[in-house]
Amino acid sequence: QSALTQPASVSGSPGQSITISCTGTSSDVGGYNYVSWYQQHPGKAPKLLIYDVSNRPSGVSNRFSGSKSGNTASLTISGLQAEDEADYHCCSYTSTSWVFGGGTKLTVL
Amino acid sequence: EVQLLESGGDLVQPGGSLRLSCAASGFSFSSSAMTWFRQAPGKGLEWVSTSGSGGSTYYADSVKGRFTISRDNSKNTVYLQMNSLRAEDTAVYHCAARKEGKYFDYWGQGTLVTVSS
Repeated sequence: QSALTQPASVSGSPGQSITISCTGTSSDVGGYNYVSWYQQHPGKAPKLLIYDVSNRPSGVSNRFSGSKSGNTASLTISGLQAEDEADYHCCSYTSTSWVFGGGTKLTVL
Repeated sequence: EVQLLESGGDLVQPGGSLRLSCAASGFSFSSSAMTWFRQAPGKGLEWVSTSGSGGSTYYADSVKGRFTISRDNSKNTVYLQMNSLRAEDTAVYHCAARKEGKYFDYWGQGTLVTVSS
Protein backbone atom coordinates (compact mmCIF):
# COMPACT_ATOMS: atom_id res chain seq x y z
CA GLN A 1 0.00 0.00 0.00
CA SER A 2 1.42 3.34 -1.07
CA ALA A 3 1.90 6.16 1.39
CA LEU A 4 0.00 8.65 -0.77
CA THR A 5 -3.46 7.98 -2.16
CA GLN A 6 -4.25 8.57 -5.83
CA PRO A 7 -7.22 7.38 -7.88
CA ALA A 8 -6.30 4.27 -9.84
CA SER A 9 -7.68 5.69 -13.06
CA VAL A 10 -9.20 8.79 -14.61
CA SER A 11 -10.41 9.48 -18.10
CA GLY A 12 -11.37 12.40 -20.29
CA SER A 13 -12.06 13.35 -23.87
CA PRO A 14 -9.69 15.39 -26.02
CA GLY A 15 -9.92 19.07 -25.16
CA GLN A 16 -11.37 18.47 -21.70
CA SER A 17 -9.66 19.05 -18.36
CA ILE A 18 -9.03 16.45 -15.68
CA THR A 19 -7.68 16.61 -12.15
CA ILE A 20 -5.77 13.91 -10.31
CA SER A 21 -5.71 14.09 -6.54
CA CYS A 22 -2.94 12.94 -4.22
CA THR A 23 -3.77 12.67 -0.52
CA GLY A 24 -1.20 12.28 2.22
CA THR A 25 -0.77 13.47 5.77
CA SER A 26 0.70 16.38 7.68
CA SER A 27 3.99 14.46 7.72
CA ASP A 28 4.38 14.59 3.95
CA VAL A 29 2.07 16.47 1.56
CA GLY A 30 0.67 18.79 4.22
CA GLY A 31 3.95 19.44 5.92
CA TYR A 32 6.14 20.49 3.01
CA ASN A 33 5.78 22.38 -0.26
CA TYR A 34 7.80 19.63 -1.90
CA VAL A 35 5.19 17.81 -3.96
CA SER A 36 6.26 16.71 -7.43
CA TRP A 37 4.46 14.96 -10.27
CA TYR A 38 5.85 12.58 -12.88
CA GLN A 39 4.42 11.33 -16.16
CA GLN A 40 5.30 7.82 -17.30
CA HIS A 41 4.42 6.25 -20.62
CA PRO A 42 4.50 2.42 -20.73
CA GLY A 43 8.04 1.07 -20.68
CA LYS A 44 9.52 4.56 -20.55
CA ALA A 45 11.33 6.62 -17.95
CA PRO A 46 9.26 8.85 -15.66
CA LYS A 47 9.37 12.53 -16.64
CA LEU A 48 9.22 15.45 -14.22
CA LEU A 49 6.08 17.53 -14.81
CA ILE A 50 5.65 19.64 -11.67
CA TYR A 51 7.95 20.39 -8.75
CA ASP A 52 7.50 22.22 -5.46
CA VAL A 53 3.69 21.87 -5.74
CA SER A 54 3.09 24.16 -8.71
CA ASN A 55 6.28 24.85 -10.67
CA ARG A 56 6.85 23.57 -14.20
CA PRO A 57 10.32 22.71 -15.48
CA SER A 58 11.42 24.34 -18.69
CA GLY A 59 9.86 22.55 -21.65
CA VAL A 60 6.78 21.23 -19.90
CA SER A 61 3.52 22.43 -21.42
CA ASN A 62 1.50 25.01 -19.49
CA ARG A 63 -1.46 22.65 -19.87
CA PHE A 64 -0.08 20.94 -16.78
CA SER A 65 -0.59 22.69 -13.44
CA GLY A 66 -0.29 21.74 -9.80
CA SER A 67 -1.78 22.91 -6.53
CA LYS A 68 -2.15 21.91 -2.91
CA SER A 69 -4.70 22.36 -0.15
CA GLY A 70 -3.96 20.90 3.25
CA ASN A 71 -2.91 17.28 2.91
CA THR A 72 -4.09 16.95 -0.71
CA ALA A 73 -2.18 17.91 -3.82
CA SER A 74 -3.69 18.01 -7.28
CA LEU A 75 -2.48 17.82 -10.86
CA THR A 76 -4.69 19.38 -13.51
CA ILE A 77 -4.28 18.72 -17.20
CA SER A 78 -6.20 21.06 -19.45
CA GLY A 79 -6.90 20.67 -23.16
CA LEU A 80 -6.38 16.91 -23.04
CA GLN A 81 -4.43 15.44 -25.92
CA ALA A 82 -3.98 11.85 -27.02
CA GLU A 83 -0.32 11.90 -25.99
CA ASP A 84 -1.30 12.69 -22.41
CA GLU A 85 -2.45 9.09 -22.01
CA ALA A 86 0.03 7.76 -19.46
CA ASP A 87 0.53 6.96 -15.79
CA TYR A 88 0.93 9.89 -13.39
CA HIS A 89 2.77 9.62 -10.09
CA CYS A 90 2.71 12.08 -7.22
CA CYS A 91 5.62 12.32 -4.81
CA SER A 92 6.24 14.13 -1.56
CA TYR A 93 9.41 14.73 0.37
CA THR A 94 9.28 13.83 4.04
CA SER A 95 11.92 14.68 6.57
CA THR A 96 13.87 11.52 5.82
CA SER A 97 12.83 10.19 2.42
CA TRP A 98 10.36 10.45 -0.43
CA VAL A 99 6.94 8.81 -0.64
CA PHE A 100 4.79 8.17 -3.68
CA GLY A 101 1.21 7.49 -4.60
CA GLY A 102 0.16 4.29 -6.31
CA GLY A 103 -0.04 6.03 -9.68
CA THR A 104 -3.04 7.07 -11.77
CA LYS A 105 -3.68 5.77 -15.26
CA LEU A 106 -5.08 8.49 -17.51
CA THR A 107 -7.12 7.33 -20.48
CA VAL A 108 -7.92 9.79 -23.24
CA LEU A 109 -11.20 8.63 -24.72
CA GLU B 1 21.06 15.14 -24.10
CA VAL B 2 20.63 13.67 -20.64
CA GLN B 3 20.77 9.89 -20.43
CA LEU B 4 20.50 7.48 -17.54
CA LEU B 5 20.98 3.86 -18.53
CA GLU B 6 20.41 1.11 -16.00
CA SER B 7 21.76 -2.41 -16.38
CA GLY B 8 22.31 -5.56 -14.37
CA GLY B 9 18.77 -6.72 -13.82
CA ASP B 10 18.23 -10.47 -13.96
CA LEU B 11 16.38 -13.48 -12.57
CA VAL B 12 17.94 -14.49 -9.25
CA GLN B 13 17.03 -17.01 -6.56
CA PRO B 14 15.92 -15.92 -3.09
CA GLY B 15 18.95 -15.23 -0.95
CA GLY B 16 21.04 -14.35 -3.99
CA SER B 17 22.87 -11.18 -4.93
CA LEU B 18 22.86 -8.78 -7.85
CA ARG B 19 24.60 -5.52 -8.70
CA LEU B 20 22.80 -2.87 -10.71
CA SER B 21 24.58 -0.08 -12.57
CA CYS B 22 23.33 3.27 -13.83
CA ALA B 23 25.49 5.11 -16.35
CA ALA B 24 24.80 8.82 -16.62
CA SER B 25 25.62 11.43 -19.23
CA GLY B 26 24.60 14.93 -20.26
CA PHE B 27 24.58 16.60 -16.84
CA SER B 28 26.90 17.26 -13.92
CA PHE B 29 26.94 13.83 -12.30
CA SER B 30 29.39 14.61 -9.51
CA SER B 31 27.27 17.49 -8.20
CA SER B 32 24.00 15.54 -8.35
CA ALA B 33 22.43 13.27 -5.77
CA MET B 34 21.68 9.90 -7.32
CA THR B 35 18.76 7.76 -6.20
CA TRP B 36 17.43 4.29 -6.87
CA PHE B 37 13.69 3.69 -6.97
CA ARG B 38 11.74 0.54 -7.68
CA GLN B 39 8.31 -0.28 -9.00
CA ALA B 40 6.86 -3.68 -8.26
CA PRO B 41 4.36 -5.11 -10.75
CA GLY B 42 1.08 -3.21 -10.50
CA LYS B 43 2.41 -0.97 -7.71
CA GLY B 44 3.58 2.60 -7.33
CA LEU B 45 7.11 3.88 -7.18
CA GLU B 46 9.13 3.28 -4.01
CA TRP B 47 12.25 5.14 -2.91
CA VAL B 48 15.09 2.68 -2.24
CA SER B 49 18.37 4.50 -1.67
CA THR B 50 20.18 7.81 -2.26
CA SER B 51 23.83 8.70 -2.72
CA GLY B 52 24.39 12.37 -2.00
CA SER B 53 26.83 14.43 -4.00
CA GLY B 54 29.00 14.66 -0.89
CA GLY B 55 29.11 10.91 -0.38
CA SER B 56 26.39 10.46 2.23
CA THR B 57 24.07 7.50 1.75
CA TYR B 58 20.48 6.81 2.77
CA TYR B 59 18.33 3.69 2.66
CA ALA B 60 14.70 2.70 2.97
CA ASP B 61 14.04 0.54 6.02
CA SER B 62 12.96 -2.30 3.72
CA VAL B 63 16.48 -2.63 2.25
CA LYS B 64 18.71 -1.36 5.04
CA GLY B 65 21.47 -3.85 5.82
CA ARG B 66 20.94 -5.72 2.53
CA PHE B 67 21.50 -3.12 -0.19
CA THR B 68 24.51 -0.83 -0.66
CA ILE B 69 24.61 2.22 -2.91
CA SER B 70 27.88 3.55 -4.25
CA ARG B 71 29.08 5.86 -6.99
CA ASP B 72 32.11 6.36 -9.19
CA ASN B 73 32.26 9.98 -10.29
CA SER B 74 35.12 9.20 -12.68
CA LYS B 75 32.78 6.87 -14.57
CA ASN B 76 29.56 8.87 -14.03
CA THR B 77 28.02 5.69 -12.68
CA VAL B 78 26.00 4.80 -9.60
CA TYR B 79 25.64 1.24 -8.37
CA LEU B 80 23.24 -0.71 -6.19
CA GLN B 81 24.61 -3.90 -4.63
CA MET B 82 21.69 -6.06 -3.58
CA ASN B 83 22.28 -8.99 -1.22
CA SER B 84 19.95 -11.44 0.54
CA LEU B 85 17.32 -10.85 -2.11
CA ARG B 86 13.69 -11.67 -1.36
CA ALA B 87 10.66 -12.25 -3.52
CA GLU B 88 9.31 -8.85 -2.49
CA ASP B 89 12.38 -7.19 -4.05
CA THR B 90 11.02 -8.14 -7.48
CA ALA B 91 10.54 -4.88 -9.37
CA VAL B 92 11.76 -2.60 -12.13
CA TYR B 93 14.61 -0.56 -10.64
CA HIS B 94 15.02 3.02 -11.88
CA CYS B 95 17.85 5.41 -11.16
CA ALA B 96 17.22 9.14 -11.01
CA ALA B 97 19.25 12.32 -10.62
CA ARG B 98 18.45 15.21 -8.33
CA LYS B 99 20.30 18.47 -8.92
CA GLU B 100 19.25 20.90 -6.21
CA GLY B 101 15.67 20.64 -5.06
CA LYS B 102 13.55 17.95 -3.43
CA TYR B 103 12.51 16.47 -6.76
CA PHE B 104 14.03 14.26 -9.45
CA ASP B 105 15.09 15.95 -12.63
CA TYR B 106 16.10 12.95 -14.73
CA TRP B 107 15.14 9.28 -14.73
CA GLY B 108 16.21 6.10 -16.46
CA GLN B 109 13.90 3.54 -18.06
CA GLY B 110 14.73 0.91 -15.51
CA THR B 111 16.05 -2.64 -15.28
CA LEU B 112 13.98 -5.64 -14.19
CA VAL B 113 14.96 -7.67 -11.15
CA THR B 114 13.05 -10.90 -10.59
CA VAL B 115 13.61 -12.87 -7.40
CA SER B 116 12.18 -16.35 -7.77
CA SER B 117 13.14 -19.98 -7.38
